[in-house]
Amino acid sequence: DGGITQSPKYLFRKEGQNVTLSCEQNLNHDAMYWYRQDPGQGLRLIYYSQIVNDFQKGDIAEGYSVSREKKESFPLTVTSAQKNPTAFYLCASSIGVLPGELFFGEGSRLTVL
Amino acid sequence: DQQVKQNSPSLSVQEGRISILNCDYTNSMFDYFLWYKKYPAEGPTFLISISSIKDKNEDGRFTVFLNKSAKHLSLHIVPSQPGDSAVYFCAASAQVSNLGNEKLTFGTGTRLTIIP
Repeated sequence: DGGITQSPKYLFRKEGQNVTLSCEQNLNHDAMYWYRQDPGQGLRLIYYSQIVNDFQKGDIAEGYSVSREKKESFPLTVTSAQKNPTAFYLCASSIGVLPGELFFGEGSRLTVL
Repeated sequence: DQQVKQNSPSLSVQEGRISILNCDYTNSMFDYFLWYKKYPAEGPTFLISISSIKDKNEDGRFTVFLNKSAKHLSLHIVPSQPGDSAVYFCAASAQVSNLGNEKLTFGTGTRLTIIP
């Protein structure tokens, strides 16, 4: 089955620790994205990548880092510099040329204790 | 600055009736608009889209209307069914390079509840 796999689904972290969220896709999509969802705030773009070895900051990139070493993979690291990391994180991919039709993973819920 | 706004956080509609979800935007560069549907603890799924060269797009029970002069779009669902109960996100994008529309800006969502 083609799709986007995010792991872990639930993650708990102590303050001051970095944590990496995994995102893998087998849709052969060029572009990949990380969004964050908070109650009442909709989805906000953290980072996106249109091609391998290239990525751009989104609207709320501070405290996060990404890499895009393979087309299929776009991991997100939530660093200790992120002040409010507790949120629902969504990874998405798209063909990259057509406007906007993103395919989303099922999300990862991060809770900082 | 919220460029895409969904001013109704929630909406309840009787089964079989029409559901109308509204969305306003401020950025005149937006030229493509989408609606996504999201169930709890799942990722959003694409529902329907519309380009700024059109004012209406229909797909089965779902119709999206775009009023460019008012910077307003709406999603109509008719007839509404219990399975339509979900959070609906409006999203917009602007073509910024020859690579196409690079990113989406989402609204805050409207929780639709269909009452049996």
